[in-house]
Amino acid sequence: GAVVSQHPSWVICKSGTSVKIECRSLDFQATTMFWYRQFPKQSLMLMATSNEGSKATYEQGVEKDKFLINHASLTLSTLTVTSAHPEDSSFYICSARDVDRSFRDEQFFGPGTRLTVL
Amino acid sequence: AQKITQTQPGMFVQEKEAVTLDCTYDTSDQSYGLFWYKQPSSGEMIFLIYQGSYDEQNATEGRYSLNFQKARKSANLVISASQLGDSAMYFCAMRELYSYDKVIFGPGTSLSVIP
Repeated sequence: GAVVSQHPSWVICKSGTSVKIECRSLDFQATTMFWYRQFPKQSLMLMATSNEGSKATYEQGVEKDKFLINHASLTLSTLTVTSAHPEDSSFYICSARDVDRSFRDEQFFGPGTRLTVL
Repeated sequence: AQKITQTQPGMFVQEKEAVTLDCTYDTSDQSYGLFWYKQPSSGEMIFLIYQGSYDEQNATEGRYSLNFQKARKSANLVISASQLGDSAMYFCAMRELYSYDKVIFGPGTSLSVIP
């Protein structure tokens, strides 16, 4: 199956700093990528849909200026958590859509990035 | 409004026994897909099984089968012959064809397999 990577796999930062998380599709081109956030013992909550070459579409309640998404190429989307605070500590997961596959098999998830803000 | 409901926050099953994890969904679309994912403690999302809204037969993938009751809008996952490695979080998810490709997840069920 297709592979999606995320970097870093975990990060610890001080409150007030910005953190960038990368999501890459390694062996396919992804015109669409999705960013999810997962708090401990909770489900994945969709934050935004990232489309290559255009602005991301954010879900209701997600601050655009705090969670900056850039989908600059067909294989890379980045999520920047700006001025991070402890409440932003979470597990961030991306997924990428391979349009050359069937509806059932299109989406592939990255391994996730665990962010801890001190 | 909650689109995916999983009423079992936690489940226990004896090793080698079968277990059913419940999932109900809400949609007004005719075209949609239902997914089950497994998430072990490592955090990775592992695709288990898929059921399309137009599929007439219940999906099966090895030890996993999906009990799809369209009129009741339920898509329960059945795991046969449980193994210790099946202990994990299980998420039911739905993707509506015309929802800009978004996959929406249910709250999840934590399954523990007892030796």
